[in-house]
Amino acid sequence: SQQGEEDPQALSIQEGENATMNCSYKTSINNLQWYRQNSGRGLVHLILIRSNEREKHSGRLRVTLDTSKKSSSLLITASRAADTASYFCATPLSGGYNKLIFGAGTRLAVHP
Amino acid sequence: DAGVIQSPRHEVTEMGQEVTLRCKPISGHNSLFWYRQTMMRGLELLIYFNNNVPIDDSGMPEDRFSAKMPNASFSTLKIQPSEPRDSAVYFCASSLRGRQSYGYTFGSGTRLTVV
Repeated sequence: SQQGEEDPQALSIQEGENATMNCSYKTSINNLQWYRQNSGRGLVHLILIRSNEREKHSGRLRVTLDTSKKSSSLLITASRAADTASYFCATPLSGGYNKLIFGAGTRLAVHP
Repeated sequence: DAGVIQSPRHEVTEMGQEVTLRCKPISGHNSLFWYRQTMMRGLELLIYFNNNVPIDDSGMPEDRFSAKMPNASFSTLKIQPSEPRDSAVYFCASSLRGRQSYGYTFGSGTRLTVV
């Protein structure tokens, strides 16, 4: 079973708008990661937030983590057509080996 | 660094043939992961290595699948014999495992088609 589940499954917006994607997970974690995948390419690591952090920023990306609700959100501000991709959250399973389990992803389409 | 390098990028083979996928991780990374991605099942972790040692192969679907990591700079995933349901994109990723957690670096993947 998947550890993380993204919501929505698909999101379509206009350039300049903000895009928010959510992720819920099931077990306790020490960090949560977000990745982007462009069509036909490998996944690219965007940002890692640790369990003792509530919010983290990287450029136009803002990630929040609520461990009490076992949820995270990824906000992309002032979206661009180049942000069109699938976005995945990933959480490590226990065991200390950084074994990441990925959700099903959110497909984001940004229209010019 | 050229990143994680996978070969081949595309592979088309006939059912029953042996297929070998290759991966060169980032120099200095001590963890290596093989994933499979399909529309139906998403990203599935097949096996991962730490310091060249297989740690968990519980995701390997069947005995037809095997993986090796003979040294820190090379890993293979072999399917023998291949079946049409093995058609997928196979990704290799590497990471640095330590006291802190780090993100993965993925290769560009091998798109496998078994006909």
